[in-house]
Amino acid sequence: GENVEQHPSTLSVQEGDSAVIKCTYSDSASNYFPWYKQELGKGPQLIIDIRSNVGEKKDQRIAVTLNKTAKHFSLHITETQPEDSAVYFCAAREGANNLFFGTGTRLTVIP
Amino acid sequence: DTGVSQDPRHKITKRGQNVTFRCDPISEHNRLYWYRQTLGQGPEFLTYFQNEAQLEKSRLLSDRFSAERPKGSFSTLEIQRTEQGDSAMYLCASSPPHWAGGLETQYFGPGTRLLVL
Repeated sequence: GENVEQHPSTLSVQEGDSAVIKCTYSDSASNYFPWYKQELGKGPQLIIDIRSNVGEKKDQRIAVTLNKTAKHFSLHITETQPEDSAVYFCAAREGANNLFFGTGTRLTVIP
Repeated sequence: DTGVSQDPRHKITKRGQNVTFRCDPISEHNRLYWYRQTLGQGPEFLTYFQNEAQLEKSRLLSDRFSAERPKGSFSTLEIQRTEQGDSAMYLCASSPPHWAGGLETQYFGPGTRLLVL
């Protein structure tokens, strides 16, 4: 099955700086890569996603890049704000339905 | 649109007891998923329903676990003879039908946190 690795496990940045989280996947057949934000006591919330036929996608301060050849994808958050502090998960979809998640990155934005 | 709801939000039980969780998906979402999340880990897929049909089950879903979606709307996840290793957050997610577009997106509920003593 699919195996998703995520780095770093923790990340601290100063408010206004950028944050980058990287993930790799193992199954070249995976074709959909969402990113979720999870706050304490809440379920994961989708923040951005990308399909395998696209190399980059941007939504305001958030962008995702995908390198299919290298089987890695990254989340970029610019102009970070304290409310961006949370745990972020990458995921890859193998087959029609299953999402395989990374182990998460705890992002702390220091005011 | 009220989002995916789950009940209860928290459950404490003694080892050996049975527990049942409920998930109400977003209205008109015909696809429903259950995941389990342990501390410090990402969610792990358990099972998937399309309408009332259970189409996929993970190897994580032992025979003590059973999930149903009898009318293709809400779903229940039952754990029989709970063990301490079952302690986790149980998450439910739903997706719209293929014809509605955005077919990959899974919307998660707040989860049910289970503690087995």
